[in-house]
Amino acid sequence: AQSVTQPDIHITVSEGASLELRCNYSYGATPYLFWYVQSPGQGLQLLLKYFSGDTLVQGIKGFEAEFKRSQSSFNLRKPSVHWSDAAEYFCAVGAGTASKLTFGTGTRLQVTL
Amino acid sequence: DTEVTQTPKHLVMGMTNKKSLKCEQHMGHRAMYWYKQKAKKPPELMFVYSYEKLSINESVPSRFSPECPNSSLLNLHLHALQPEDSALYLCASSREQGVRGYTFGSGTRLTVV
Repeated sequence: AQSVTQPDIHITVSEGASLELRCNYSYGATPYLFWYVQSPGQGLQLLLKYFSGDTLVQGIKGFEAEFKRSQSSFNLRKPSVHWSDAAEYFCAVGAGTASKLTFGTGTRLQVTL
Repeated sequence: DTEVTQTPKHLVMGMTNKKSLKCEQHMGHRAMYWYKQKAKKPPELMFVYSYEKLSINESVPSRFSPECPNSSLLNLHLHALQPEDSALYLCASSREQGVRGYTFGSGTRLTVV
């Protein structure tokens, strides 16, 4: 069965600092990988996704993620964080023929001014 | 139109009430999904509809009854819910069944009293 681990429950960074959110997955084949962001009481917005090809994926809002098969990781990065980036971030894994997205437990990002 | 619209945004219901959640999309997607997200937890899949037919039921209690009357509309009928069913209910859609491209709605915040 597929699973996702986000080891950091809560991260605090200063505005303008760089950010890396960690995600490790477990899946037998090449997975489909996603990062979503959720503001309080809101739905999920897709930041970026990886299916195949170039392992460095660019997303919206200046985010990028790198797929590393050897480490079973798909970490999310941003070079300079803005106060509006404060939110909950979910990594998710899915298989192409299945319908189920399995989410990690999320990382809450706090941005200090 | 690239949105999934969910109504109502907030709902408070008693344990003996019957209510319905509504989800609508006009992107021509043929798969639609219900996810449940409890506070401070990741979303979990409840149901999948593909071409208006129920494809997946993740062992959800019968007090939740999904319905897909046409390709644009997905309902979730609620009856005799318990306080522990209070959660954010998220609808999503995709072009075909699978996880390559979900679009999530902003959710319905349900409180059972």
